[in-house]
Amino acid sequence: EAGVTQFPSHSVIEKGQTVTLRCDPISGHDNLYWYRRVMGKEIKFLLHFVKESKQDESGMPNNRFLAERTGGTYSTLKVQPAELEDSGVYFCASSQVAHYGYTFGSGTRLTVV
Amino acid sequence: AQSVTQLDSHVSVSEGTPVLLRCNYSSSYSPSLFWYVQHPNKGLQLLLKYTSAATLVKGINGFEAEFKKSETSFHLTKPSAHMSDAAEYFCVVNPTGANNLFFGTGTRLTVIP
Repeated sequence: EAGVTQFPSHSVIEKGQTVTLRCDPISGHDNLYWYRRVMGKEIKFLLHFVKESKQDESGMPNNRFLAERTGGTYSTLKVQPAELEDSGVYFCASSQVAHYGYTFGSGTRLTVV
Repeated sequence: AQSVTQLDSHVSVSEGTPVLLRCNYSSSYSPSLFWYVQHPNKGLQLLLKYTSAATLVKGINGFEAEFKKSETSFHLTKPSAHMSDAAEYFCVVNPTGANNLFFGTGTRLTVIP
């Protein structure tokens, strides 16, 4: 089966610009998660979708981040406007059962300059 | 509160020698524990998981980990390192009832020929 796909793999943008990251989960996985690794820090939870609904968005850092999952399929994570501290690697994961058997994507490396 | 401490940010071993990557955790409840590996430009791959069954857990590629509740440790070991083991390894805890995973800061393993 195809894995979790994320794109772009890399993105370099200027401070103040907007960037949209995309995640395509494994087909049939209702649960979709976003995690982030800021330079030198641990990977941290951002949010969890069940189908198209946000189950938990307690990890979203601020209102410059907007995640959507239209139709319960792919998800997007938009950062607007981007700040320097948003630089890092953004991981997406999906699972059939909530919080069990995650499959992670290879991540999007975001650099804000 | 939940936290995961990976005691070494970098570990170097010679090919054919044993690998030990250390992890200590703190959790209010009986957690599930995982080790993930990330090879360059790849996604996070599950190596093994502990979910309150046998305390010695065997994973893929010859890795295993032992859950020691008295020491709150979950160290990852492999008897003989292979060049393909060079990667970054993450110790992860999912506390019972928690909505998300908590990651350690990672240990980068270098294998010297």
